[in-house]
Amino acid sequence: KAGVTQTPRYLIKTRGQQVTLSCSPISGHRSVSWYQQTPGQGLQFLFEYFSETQRNKGNFPGRFSGRQFSNSRSEMNVSTLELGDSALYLCASSLTGTGTRTDTQYFGPGTRLTVL
Amino acid sequence: KQEVTQIPAALSVPEGENLVLNCSFTDSAIYNLQWFRQDPGKGLTSLLLIQSSQREQTSGRLNASLDKSSGRSTLYIAASQPGDSATYLCAANNFNKFYFGSGTKLNVKP
Repeated sequence: KAGVTQTPRYLIKTRGQQVTLSCSPISGHRSVSWYQQTPGQGLQFLFEYFSETQRNKGNFPGRFSGRQFSNSRSEMNVSTLELGDSALYLCASSLTGTGTRTDTQYFGPGTRLTVL
Repeated sequence: KQEVTQIPAALSVPEGENLVLNCSFTDSAIYNLQWFRQDPGKGLTSLLLIQSSQREQTSGRLNASLDKSSGRSTLYIAASQPGDSATYLCAANNFNKFYFGSGTKLNVKP
């Protein structure tokens, strides 16, 4: 079974631009979560999508948004980029989501975003 | 809000040593606790998941324990190998959200 894939792997943008990241979950997984990882703040939860609906959200500004398609693929969008948005963005998929006791999250390799 | 702390931040040991990584959390109302491994520049790999009703889980040379009452989990690695060098993160699952610790960077010297 193919793992979680994320595209692109690396991205360089300038302040004020917007960016869209893509995540393809493991086949059959319906939940996709997004995380931001930085040296200073560590791994922080952005949001989770399940069956095309945002089911949970972390404490990030509205510039961060996402969506999920009927095939469970998910996209994350960041508008009006700031220098502080430079980070590794990870997505993770699971069968039913983070609310179950035995569900394991499988992570993709991440997208490294650099904002200049 | 759940806060997860990992100590130590970094650890260097000679090959063959047994070692323990620590994880503490402030809110004991968790569904489960997971340990992950992250290699440089890569995503996370799940190592062990302990359900809230369990005390420990084992996989090969790895053993993770959970004490909800004290808000602690430990990851025990037996007979460490250079290939175990990575950053180890624990994550507490609180009702649909994962809260991660900042990780312990492990270096196993040959």
